[in-house]
Amino acid sequence: GQNIDQPTEMTATEGAIVQINCTYQTSGFNGLFWYQQHAGEAPTFLSYNVLDGLEEKGRFSSFLSRSKGYSYLLLKELQMKDSASYLCAVNDYKLSFGAGTTVTVRA
Amino acid sequence: DAMVIQNPRYQVTQFGKPVTLSCSQTLNHNVMYWYQQKSSQAPKLLFHYYDKDFNNEADTPDNFQSRRPNTSFCFLDIRSPGLGDAAMYLCATGLPNNEQFFGPGTRLTVL
Repeated sequence: GQNIDQPTEMTATEGAIVQINCTYQTSGFNGLFWYQQHAGEAPTFLSYNVLDGLEEKGRFSSFLSRSKGYSYLLLKELQMKDSASYLCAVNDYKLSFGAGTTVTVRA
Repeated sequence: DAMVIQNPRYQVTQFGKPVTLSCSQTLNHNVMYWYQQKSSQAPKLLFHYYDKDFNNEADTPDNFQSRRPNTSFCFLDIRSPGLGDAAMYLCATGLPNNEQFFGPGTRLTVL
């Protein structure tokens, strides 16, 4: 089966940095996605890692270690609009999602 | 703009009354997915189409059916909705082993 774990909630201050960890145990692996989901809205794509290492895209970066079954999403220079749920999803012929980490950004 | 469209955005139905949710895409993607997402939970894959090939998840109830008449459209039929089927239903499209593009979702309420 698929097992994807991420923290339930995180709180940070505007302008700060937050790191959301994701660990996974899946029967197969063909890449890991991070999605952002605002309340009541659909998930939107943030990043994709298939090889080990860091992918940087503006204020957001994502890291993958396949040997450790581990990824993180790094959010820098936090803004109020970054308050949302962040979903880690592993691609194994289909996407298996973690339950999401709700990030609250405080002024 | 190329996109994934879901109609309606909000659907209210009565217990046991069949309901159909629709999804269309202008991205010309091979694969279309239907997910169910309940509050504070991960999206749960119900089934997907790879072109015309239907793939049902093992734990998807028989109450849920799907149709894909052509590349652009995909429908989710709930034959006899129960209170436990109230959720957000997300349609997504994608190319195999690539990112998925989600529609805005249909929020289903069962009275």
